[in-house]
Amino acid sequence: GIQVEQSPPDLILQEGANSTLRCNFSDSVNNLQWFHQNPWGQLINLFYIPSGTKQNGRLSATTVATERYSLLYISSSQTTDSGVYFCAAQTGANNLFFGTGTRLTVIP
Amino acid sequence: GAVVSQHPSWVICKSGTSVKIECRSLDFQATTMFWYRQFPKQSLMLMATSNEGSKATYEQGVEKDKFLINHASLTLSTLTVTSAHPEDSSFYICSALGPLAITSYEQYFGPGTRLTVT
Repeated sequence: GIQVEQSPPDLILQEGANSTLRCNFSDSVNNLQWFHQNPWGQLINLFYIPSGTKQNGRLSATTVATERYSLLYISSSQTTDSGVYFCAAQTGANNLFFGTGTRLTVIP
Repeated sequence: GAVVSQHPSWVICKSGTSVKIECRSLDFQATTMFWYRQFPKQSLMLMATSNEGSKATYEQGVEKDKFLINHASLTLSTLTVTSAHPEDSSFYICSALGPLAITSYEQYFGPGTRLTVT
């Protein structure tokens, strides 16, 4: 299956700071999703972004499909942004493969 | 829209017993659902793909006789862990292909079920 790598593995931010999370994948994709897993384990869909750029409030994402990477931007971070961020990629009719996640801690 | 629920949210059972977990799409029909497993501080691993009205497709290394999957309707898939053992303790998460499944591969995830086998 497709290989999905995320960086950094851990990130600690002061409240109000901005951050960029990266997701590299090994093949062309027809599905690229970003999720936030909250402390209770719920995966929250952030973006469905196999290509292009999207924005939703303080979050935005860009996928450069030809170069096989995606970026998640978090601006003006808040303590409620803490948790694990996963990207997951799918190629063809194959399954969705998850990266190992970035654990974000936002301190007040 | 595209809400997926799971029941129960947590369950404790004794070794040797069976546990059933339900996954429902609440506001859309889901012909395809997926079951994942997540160990503490690890990523999600796909266990099986469940298609309405047909047998599930299991990933390599997943015992189909131990993890029974049934997708009898367009809004419900169930995972039964049979003869559970402590090593089956994990966080089980289901997902469904969303209402735009014809044009989009986006999956929507349930809140998960935490299983503890004593």
